[in-house]
Amino acid sequence: SQQGEEDPQALSIQEGENATMNCSYKTSINNLQWYRQNSGRGLVHLILIRSNEREKHSGRLRVTLDTSKKSSSLLITASRAADTASYFCATDGREYGNKLVFGAGTILRVKS
Amino acid sequence: GAGVSQSPSNKVTEKGKDVELRCDPISGHTALYWYRQSLGQGLEFLIYFQGNSAPDKSGLPSDRFSAERTGGSVSTLTIQRTQQEDSAVYLCASRRGGLDGELFFGEGSRLTVL
Repeated sequence: SQQGEEDPQALSIQEGENATMNCSYKTSINNLQWYRQNSGRGLVHLILIRSNEREKHSGRLRVTLDTSKKSSSLLITASRAADTASYFCATDGREYGNKLVFGAGTILRVKS
Repeated sequence: GAGVSQSPSNKVTEKGKDVELRCDPISGHTALYWYRQSLGQGLEFLIYFQGNSAPDKSGLPSDRFSAERTGGSVSTLTIQRTQQEDSAVYLCASRRGGLDGELFFGEGSRLTVL
């Protein structure tokens, strides 16, 4: 079964707006990662946040982690048409045998 | 190579035939994963290899699915007696090792079973 569940399933915004995607998970984790997938391509790693971290930044990306609520959010600021893609969270936890378990993803469409 | 390489990129087969999908991970990466992604869906874990340890096969959907990793490098995912529901993109990923870190994905093998 999936560990992470993303919300919303789909998001459509205008270029320049911010996009926020959320991920909830069920068990304790070692870390949480976000990946991006362009249509028909493999996944590309965006950012990793460890269980003892609360916030992390990378360029226009901001990730938060709330282990008490078992949730994470990915914020993309000043979105661009090129950000159009699917975004997945993935968790790495002992209860899943330390394999990376992915959620169903959020489809982001940025309109220019 | 510089990245994870998968072949074939596309495979069309008839129901009941066997298929083999190949993954060549990044050199030196000890962990290798296979995932399956159906159209518009998330990633379904299939199998995980870590170094010389016994693989975690807990995600294989049936005994028609098997995978091996020879010499700690190249991996082959075999699907016997393919069914239409096996149609999906099969993604391979590798990572340097240890218990965490980012995965590097290949571009996937798209399997269509007619």
